[in-house]
Amino acid sequence: NAGVMQNPRHLVRRRGQEARLRCSPMKGHSHVYWYRQLPEEGLKFMVYLQKENIIDESGMPKERFSAEFPKEGPSILRIQQVVRGDSAAYFCASSPPSGRTYEQYFGPGTRLTVT
Amino acid sequence: KQEVTQIPAALSVPEGENLVLNCSFTDSAIYNLQWFRQDPGKGLTSLLLIQSSQREQTSGRLNASLDKSSGRSTLYIAASQPGDSATYLCAVNLGSGYSTLTFGKGTMLLVSP
Repeated sequence: NAGVMQNPRHLVRRRGQEARLRCSPMKGHSHVYWYRQLPEEGLKFMVYLQKENIIDESGMPKERFSAEFPKEGPSILRIQQVVRGDSAAYFCASSPPSGRTYEQYFGPGTRLTVT
Repeated sequence: KQEVTQIPAALSVPEGENLVLNCSFTDSAIYNLQWFRQDPGKGLTSLLLIQSSQREQTSGRLNASLDKSSGRSTLYIAASQPGDSATYLCAVNLGSGYSTLTFGKGTMLLVSP
């Protein structure tokens, strides 16, 4: 059973370009969470999605950032017109649709560098 | 607003020592608490999850305790090894299971041979 997969693992973008980060949850998981880890800071929640629904986006910046989790395919975190401050590690986590523990399982992350 | 604090920020010990990492949180109404390990440039590996109704969880040389009323958790590592060197993160889940995790900034552990 493969774990949470993220790609690309490393992404370099120039200022003003778009960044697309992909996350495939663990098999059977229908809940996806995105977190961002800025240099020297802890992980911060960004958005929580279920299939075709955004459940909680309270941690998402109001502009340039969007996320989706379509019926088919991976979850996508999209950053438009990237700026240097977007350079960070972006982690995706997934959890199963039912269960007692609601444990979140994390992917290896995508490290975004904006030049 | 929930805040999670981890002390110490960094810890260096010789191999073989037993050690304790501390985590405190401001809102005691948590659903569960997870301890993670993060190696440099890598993702997070879940070590232990404690439900709010539990007092402790054990896995191998690791033991995590939870005192919800005082807003504290500890991670005890027995007989530390160089391979334990990593950053240890504590995270709390406030909601009915499907809410988000609030993380501390972590304790960076270095175990020297």
